[in-house]
Amino acid sequence: DGGITQSPKYLFRKEGQNVTLSCEQNLNHDAMYWYRQDPGQGLRLIYYSQIVNDFQKGDIAEGYSVSREKKESFPLTVTSAQKNPTAFYLCASSMPGQPYGYTFGSGTRLTVV
Amino acid sequence: KQEVTQIPAALSVPEGENLVLNCSFTDSAIYNLQWFRQDPGKGLTSLLLIQSSQREQTSGRLNASLDKSSGRSTLYIAASQPGDSATYLCAVGIDKLIFGTGTRLQVFP
Repeated sequence: DGGITQSPKYLFRKEGQNVTLSCEQNLNHDAMYWYRQDPGQGLRLIYYSQIVNDFQKGDIAEGYSVSREKKESFPLTVTSAQKNPTAFYLCASSMPGQPYGYTFGSGTRLTVV
Repeated sequence: KQEVTQIPAALSVPEGENLVLNCSFTDSAIYNLQWFRQDPGKGLTSLLLIQSSQREQTSGRLNASLDKSSGRSTLYIAASQPGDSATYLCAVGIDKLIFGTGTRLQVFP
């Protein structure tokens, strides 16, 4: 079945450490997105990519980095510059300009310890 | 800047009730409006998509309407069931979605 796989489901980060969240899709979607969700809030866009080897900042990109070397993969690195990284991170994919079929992964919960 | 607001923030109803969830947006120049469902600790599932030229969409017990002139959308759930308990989020946009804060719904037997 086609879908989006996020791993790990739970991730713990120590102060000053970089961590990478994985997002893989087999839907043949061109566009991929990373959103952050804080308790009781909606989703906020971190980064997005509409084509391989290209990506743009969203509303809250500071302290995060991404790469898009393959169509299927869009990993997100939470760097030590992100001062409040504890949140639920969701990856999504779609075909640009085609909102039907906007698909989300099951999320990664990141906690700073 | 587009802002999306959802009221109420939380709702608790007995099984069988018909209910309405509200979504407001500040910029009427939206492309589309989607309603999503999120179960605790899970990703989002798309429920209904209303394109900007449409006024409503229906799927089973769900009906979503869109009034661009007033900047509002409503999600109507008929004959609610305990399995409908979840957080419902609306979002506007076509690729980069702007989300509301959600309505947490609990339907009790």
